[in-house]
Amino acid sequence: GENVEQHPSTLSVQEGDSAVIKCTYSDSASNYFPWYKQELGKRPQLIIDIRSNVGEKKDQRIAVTLNKTAKHFSLHITETQPEDSAVYFCASGAGSYQLTFGKGTKLSVIP
Amino acid sequence: DTAVSQTPKYLVTQMGNDKSIKCEQNLGHDTMYWYKQDSKKFLKIMFSYNNKELIINETVPNRFSPKSPDKAHLNLHINSLELGDSAVYFCASSQGRTSGEQFFGPGTRLTVL
Repeated sequence: GENVEQHPSTLSVQEGDSAVIKCTYSDSASNYFPWYKQELGKRPQLIIDIRSNVGEKKDQRIAVTLNKTAKHFSLHITETQPEDSAVYFCASGAGSYQLTFGKGTKLSVIP
Repeated sequence: DTAVSQTPKYLVTQMGNDKSIKCEQNLGHDTMYWYKQDSKKFLKIMFSYNNKELIINETVPNRFSPKSPDKAHLNLHINSLELGDSAVYFCASSQGRTSGEQFFGPGTRLTVL
């Protein structure tokens, strides 16, 4: 089955700096790559996603890049703010009703 | 308007008991899921139903039995609860296969004493 590796497991940045979280996947049939943000005690919520026919997607301060050849994708957050502090999950899907999630990255933004 | 709702939000029970968690979505989605999130925050798929049919059944003990009375509901019944069942259980829904967003419920924190 699909295996998604996510790094780092924890990340601390100063407010205003950028944060990068990286994921690799194993199934070459995977074609959908969402990123979820989970604040403490809350539900995971989609923040951005990318499909295999696109190499990069941006939404204000967040962006995701995908390298299908290398089977990796990354989340970039610029100008980080304290409210960006949360656990971020990457995931991959291959059209089989199943998303495989990475183990999460706990991001702390220090004011 | 709550898109995906779960009840109860908290569940504290003794080992060996049987309990149920209910999930409802009002998004008109045809696929629903149960995830388990343990203390290390790992999100692991347990079950997936599409149009009331079981699609995914990961290696979950058969003490866990999902039931989907209709497309908008997916309930989870757990028999003979064990300490290791303590976790947060999330219900989620999506439209069709994994080509779109999965919407998560607020979670049910189960504590087995």
